[in-house]
Amino acid sequence: AQSVSQHNHHVILSEAASLELGCNYSYGGTVNLFWYVQYPGQHLQLLLKYFSGDPLVKGIKGFEAEFIKSKFSFNLRKPSVQWSDTAEYFCAVNAGTNAGKSTFGDGTTLTVKP
Amino acid sequence: EAGVVQSPRYKIIEKKQPVAFWCNPISGHNTLYWYLQNLGQGPELLIRYENEEAVDDSQLPKDRFSAERLKGVDSTLKIQPAELGDSAVYLCASSLESIAGVNEQFFGPGTRLTVL
Repeated sequence: AQSVSQHNHHVILSEAASLELGCNYSYGGTVNLFWYVQYPGQHLQLLLKYFSGDPLVKGIKGFEAEFIKSKFSFNLRKPSVQWSDTAEYFCAVNAGTNAGKSTFGDGTTLTVKP
Repeated sequence: EAGVVQSPRYKIIEKKQPVAFWCNPISGHNTLYWYLQNLGQGPELLIRYENEEAVDDSQLPKDRFSAERLKGVDSTLKIQPAELGDSAVYLCASSLESIAGVNEQFFGPGTRLTVL
């Protein structure tokens, strides 16, 4: 069964710092990868996704993620965070014969200090 | 465009009582998901519908949980009887799937269930 690991449970940064959140998955075949974000008091929403093509994908609000197949990773990055990026971030993978099933990581809480 | 609607937003019940959650997906979305989210964890899929057919209910505890999606639109998730460990947030999501697993899911606000 597929699984997703997010290594950082809570990250605290100052504004303008660079961000990288780790995401590793366990599946050897074709995968579709997603990062979702949940701002305080709001719904989960999509930040970006990868399903084919350029392994470096860009999403909303200046976020990007790089799919590295050899490392089974899909890390999320942002060069300069803002206070408004404070949120919980979830990595998700769809894979295998049950491609419609999304498996989520346990999330990383990002706190950005003004 | 209206988003995914869920009701109620909050529910407090005593153990052994029944409870039901309702979800109205985004218009035209053929795929509907119910997730359970415990505190500090990511969403875990309970059941996935494609139109009115439950295509993945392997994680649904069928002894006490049931779901339906009549006419392939609205959906209801029921727990009977509820147990203390069922306290969690129940999320509904929908997507327009032409190829399974490619398109994003749109999430509702969730129902926070507390079982006393």
